[in-house]
Amino acid sequence: DTGVSQDPRHKITKRGQNVTFRCDPISEHNRLYWYRQTLGQGPEFLTYFQNEAQLEKSRLLSDRFSAERPKGSFSTLEIQRTEQGDSAMYLCASSPTILTEAFFGQGTRLTVV
Amino acid sequence: AQTVTQSQPEMSVQEAETVTLSCTYDTSENNYYLFWYKQPPSRQMILVIRQEAYKQQNATENRFSVNFQKAAKSFSLKISDSQLGDTAMYFCAFMAYNQGGKLIFGQGTELSVKP
Repeated sequence: DTGVSQDPRHKITKRGQNVTFRCDPISEHNRLYWYRQTLGQGPEFLTYFQNEAQLEKSRLLSDRFSAERPKGSFSTLEIQRTEQGDSAMYLCASSPTILTEAFFGQGTRLTVV
Repeated sequence: AQTVTQSQPEMSVQEAETVTLSCTYDTSENNYYLFWYKQPPSRQMILVIRQEAYKQQNATENRFSVNFQKAAKSFSLKISDSQLGDTAMYFCAFMAYNQGGKLIFGQGTELSVKP
């Protein structure tokens, strides 16, 4: 197993464009989490899935953000009409159960120009 | 709501010396975990050590140990015999049993180990 994989690693986009990120969790991990990390700060929780069900969304997740995990495997995070304030590192993590260690991917760094 | 505070934005230590990173948290929950994660430059975050709140004994993992003071809501990380590879951002994180496994992170402490 190669761990949690995120694609792309870097994304530069113009303000107003839509972007989509992908996360492939460790196989058989039924929990998947998305976090956002801005420069010099700790990660902030965005949303999480148990299998294909999205169980919680943070207030940070505006209507422009949507996440899916269609078959309970990989997940996508889409940001519509990007704004400069969306520039951040987007981290994905997975865990096999609720009270175990979360394994993180390397993140997707988004820059909105 | 839970909060995690790391009051040391940056720290440095000489190789082979010992350093302690501070963390305090606030919660009304009684059942939770605390973690220290390490984020090396341009690399993924990895778990350093975890502590279950119901355990009085402090967790240790090789050169890493914690001082968990539940009443004071304090959770510090001690790194002994610091190595150059310990250079990284260190994040303290909180997870309540009843909140789906989501982590609440502190702001981080950037640790530099100097030769």
